[in-house]
Formats: sequence, structure tokens, C-alpha cells
Amino acid sequence: NAGVMQNPRHLVRRRGQEARLRCSPMKGHSHVYWYRQLPEEGLKFMVYLQKENIIDESGMPKERFSAEFPKEGPSILRIQQVVRGDSAAYFCASSGTGYYNEQFFGPGTRLTVL
Amino acid sequence: SQQGEEDPQALSIQEGENATMNCSYKTSINNLQWYRQNSGRGLVHLILIRSNEREKHSGRLRVTLDTSKKSSSLLITASRAADTASYFCATDADSGGGADGLTFGKGTHLIIQP
Repeated sequence: NAGVMQNPRHLVRRRGQEARLRCSPMKGHSHVYWYRQLPEEGLKFMVYLQKENIIDESGMPKERFSAEFPKEGPSILRIQQVVRGDSAAYFCASSGTGYYNEQFFGPGTRLTVL
Repeated sequence: SQQGEEDPQALSIQEGENATMNCSYKTSINNLQWYRQNSGRGLVHLILIRSNEREKHSGRLRVTLDTSKKSSSLLITASRAADTASYFCATDADSGGGADGLTFGKGTHLIIQP
């Protein structure tokens, strides 16, 4: 039973480039969440999606960041025109449809912007 | 202070001793979850305690929840070197149940001295 999968594990981009981070939820899970972790910090919620729907994007920066969870395929977090401040670890989590929202995390993608 | 704030920030104990970490939060919650993160790695889900529960056990872990004080504690008994990691509490706000983004604290960094 595979857990949450994320790729790539490490991503290096130059300022101004685009970063695409992928997340495949656990089998049977229909809810996906993206979080960002800065060094020595806890995780900060960014966005919560279900298939083809953004449910809560209250933690997403208003510009340059977007997320999708298409009917087929993984969820994508997209960062356009990256800046140095985007360097962080980005984690994806998934949960089932149960009331208590137990979230399971992937290994993360470490983004470095040069 | 932010929701889901852990205390202490760092804790160093001898192998075999018990380790206790605390978490405080501000708003009403649906549940509280504890996670472990090894350096540079993803988060491992340890335990979820529901708002109507007061104590929960899982192996060497014991979690308590006091909703009147808006606090939780994580006790690790008979610590091992492999328990060295950062520990985070995460709260799921009480929005009527179902899925939400979690709010994380900055974590407690636990070091077990051999």
C-alpha cells in the first residue's frame, strides 16, 4: 500500500523559472493538501484540493502560485517566476473522507532557487 | 503566539528516560495530531486524538488532551536514540468536521543522548 508520493524530491531552479511539484495521494484518498516548510519552522498550510476542485486556498500567496488536482493524474503545485524566498520544502498530504481528517504526508520536495 | 505551539523548543535527555513535550493552541479544535520529522525528511504521523478524548496510547507514546486548557502533551517512554527527531503538533480547527488544512507549531527538537 504505497504512501503519498511526491516528485521530484529535490528541485533546483534559477530565479524567474517555473517550478512544478507533483503529488500522488495514498490509494483511496480523495483530499490533497499542500504545505510549505521554511528552515527551522513548522509547516504552513497552503491549499486544500479535491478532484477538480480547490476547496481552500487561504494559505496560498496571491501571485505566482497555483495548484490543481485533475480528474486523472497527480496534484500539481506550480510556482511561476520563482524567487529566492520560494526556497523551502514543500509537503503534500492526503486524507480520506472520514470525519477526523487524519493526514498522511509525502517525503516532500526541496526547492532551491539560485 | 500561533496556534499549535510546542514547548520546549528543544529537549535533550539520556537514552532510557521519558520525554514529555507540550502543545498549546488557541481555537476550538476537531482533533489534534502529533507528527515526527527526522532531519531533512518527511513527516510521520504518530497519533490523532479527538476533541472528545482525553488520553490515547500507541506503543511507547501517550498523548493527553485538555480542551479546557487548550493543551496537549506527548510522552515518549523509555526513549531510544532513534527517537531523536523534531515533534510537531497540528490542530484541525472545529469547522463542523471533515477535511481542513492543519495548523502546525514550530516543533520540539528532541535529542536522545546514548
